[in-house]
Amino acid sequence: EAGVAQSPRYKIIEKRQSVAFWCNPISGHATLYWYQQILGQGPKLLIQFQNNGVVDDSQLPKDRFSAERLKGVDSTLKIQPAKLEDSAVYLCASRLSGGAVTDTQYFGPGTRLTVL
Amino acid sequence: DQQVKQNSPSLSVQEGRISILNCDYTNSMFDYFLWYKKYPAEGPTFLISISSIKDKNEDGRFTVFLNKSAKHLSLHIVPSQPGDSAVYFCAAMGGGSNYKLTFGKGTLLTVNP
Repeated sequence: EAGVAQSPRYKIIEKRQSVAFWCNPISGHATLYWYQQILGQGPKLLIQFQNNGVVDDSQLPKDRFSAERLKGVDSTLKIQPAKLEDSAVYLCASRLSGGAVTDTQYFGPGTRLTVL
Repeated sequence: DQQVKQNSPSLSVQEGRISILNCDYTNSMFDYFLWYKKYPAEGPTFLISISSIKDKNEDGRFTVFLNKSAKHLSLHIVPSQPGDSAVYFCAAMGGGSNYKLTFGKGTLLTVNP
């Protein structure tokens, strides 16, 4: 079974530029998550989708971050404009369903963003 | 406000000995706890979990203990192997949170041959 795919793996941009990340979850997984992991911290949830609907985006900085999951499969996360403090690893995770607490979240390898 | 705390940034043990990683939480609504393991340049991978109705869960060399009254859990690895060297994250969910995970900062475990 293929895992969660993310691209690009690395990205370097200057502040005020825009950047987009792509995630393809495990086939059949209805729930998709985007996390931000700053160096030395644990992953922090930015947004959670159930199919193509947003379940939780309470910690997404909506003035600069946006995310979509058209057709309930793959997803993109965009930052516009980027700030220095956005430097982090952006992790995508997927989960089979929202119905069982024991369903595991599977993580992709992440995209390491450096904002100069 | 950190709801899941891993107070030891790093831990070093000898191969074959026991590794004990600790985690504390403050939110009494958490009712399911997980440990994830992360190698450099990879995403976290699920290791073991425990429900709040249990106080112990074992899977091979890995055992997680939960002390609800103390809001404390620990991960025991016996015997430790060099391949166990990684960052270990404690995570918690519950309270109708749509299965949202709250992570600790992680503990870097180094197992020396």
